[in-house]
Order: sequence, then C-alpha cells, then structure tokens
Amino acid sequence: TQLLEQSPQFLSIQEGENLTVYCNSSSVFSSLQWYRQEPGEGPVLLVTVVTGGEVKKLKRLTFQFGDARKDSSLHITAAQPGDTGLYLCAGVQTGANNLFFGTGTRLTVIP
Amino acid sequence: KAGVTQTPRYLIKTRGQQVTLSCSPISGHRSVSWYQQTPGQGLQFLFEYFSETQRNKGNFPGRFSGRQFSNSRSEMNVSTLELGDSALYLCASSLGTKGEKLLFGSGTQLSVL
Repeated sequence: TQLLEQSPQFLSIQEGENLTVYCNSSSVFSSLQWYRQEPGEGPVLLVTVVTGGEVKKLKRLTFQFGDARKDSSLHITAAQPGDTGLYLCAGVQTGANNLFFGTGTRLTVIP
Repeated sequence: KAGVTQTPRYLIKTRGQQVTLSCSPISGHRSVSWYQQTPGQGLQFLFEYFSETQRNKGNFPGRFSGRQFSNSRSEMNVSTLELGDSALYLCASSLGTKGEKLLFGSGTQLSVL
C-alpha cells in the first residue's frame, strides 16, 4: 500500500489543454513537495507547500495543499510539450524525517 | 556548483553477484539519501546518511547497505543480487534539515540478468 496515491497514473493531452494531477493520502504531512522527472534524469523539485490551504503559482503551474494537509493538487494551464514528464508528489509525515514519494503521474503533451 | 554525481551510470550484473554504487553530493551537503525506482513500485526510500551515520532506514532487506565517508560521499552496496533488484538507484543530497528539498543525481541503472 502506497502512502501517497496519485491520479491519474497516465495522462496524454494536446498542447494548449489544461490538466490537474491529484496526490492523496490518509496521513497528515508537515510539508509536501512536487517534483518533475524527465527520462534518464533524477527528479527536480518544483515547489514545496507547508501550510494547509496554501496555493503557490509557478508560471503556468498552480499547486495547492489541502486544508487538512493530507492531499495536494497540481494544475497546469495551457500545457506545452516541454511539460512532458513524470510528476511526483512527496511528503514528510508529521513526526518522521524521510520523504515518501507518490506513485507518480506520467504526462505526455502532444504538439 | 557541481551537481550530485552518481557512478556508474549503467551497470549489468548477474544473479548472486554484489554491486557497489557511488554518490558524490553537492559540496557542503552533509545528508545523502538513497532511493530505488522501479516502474511497478515507484520511488522507494532505502536509507539516509548524515555525517557518516545512518539516520533513517526504509523497509528493505539487509542485502542493501550503505555508508558515508568523512567527505560526505556515499556508497550503497547490494549483495546476492536478485532479478527484482533491477532498478534505477537514485541518490539525493541535502543540508540535512527535515523537509528541505532534495537534489537528485541522474541515477545508476542496474540490470540484473
């Protein structure tokens, strides 16, 4: 059983469309991070959210941390082919030290 | 500033052999974490070393071990390799503060035949 479940697992969309990726858990996290990983590379951090209800924007990407700090979402507006990659959420449980990664969402943006 | 360096980049081994992977963190970073990534299980935490001491450990068998040297470089070792050990092994470095961002290397792709 994965601590962090992401949905959808796979997503293929046309350039210019909008999409939302979800990261859900039954556990509370003191902080949650989103990473993007491209083939042949390690994950690269996009954002960290720490406060319940927090919303952060990074250009066309909007990240939200749930009020109860158990879930998060990533919304991409007007997706571009350069957004293609594996998106991973990762959280630090309250009282723990190491980072748990979600199951991942593989996004393909078709030109 | 040099990034996190992992060597080798690719490795092919046979069942029963053992393997050692190396990770050089970013200069000044004292924490090195190791993860195993497979298509089926995703990214699974192996262990974290901080100042030459194992600080956290994931749920992997004792065949998986690691160490960290005084210069913060880290190695992980897998003994008696099994087919299921085929994976991308990623290391990540950080200053060591809880919840801070991890900077990942490009990984070592291990294939066990």
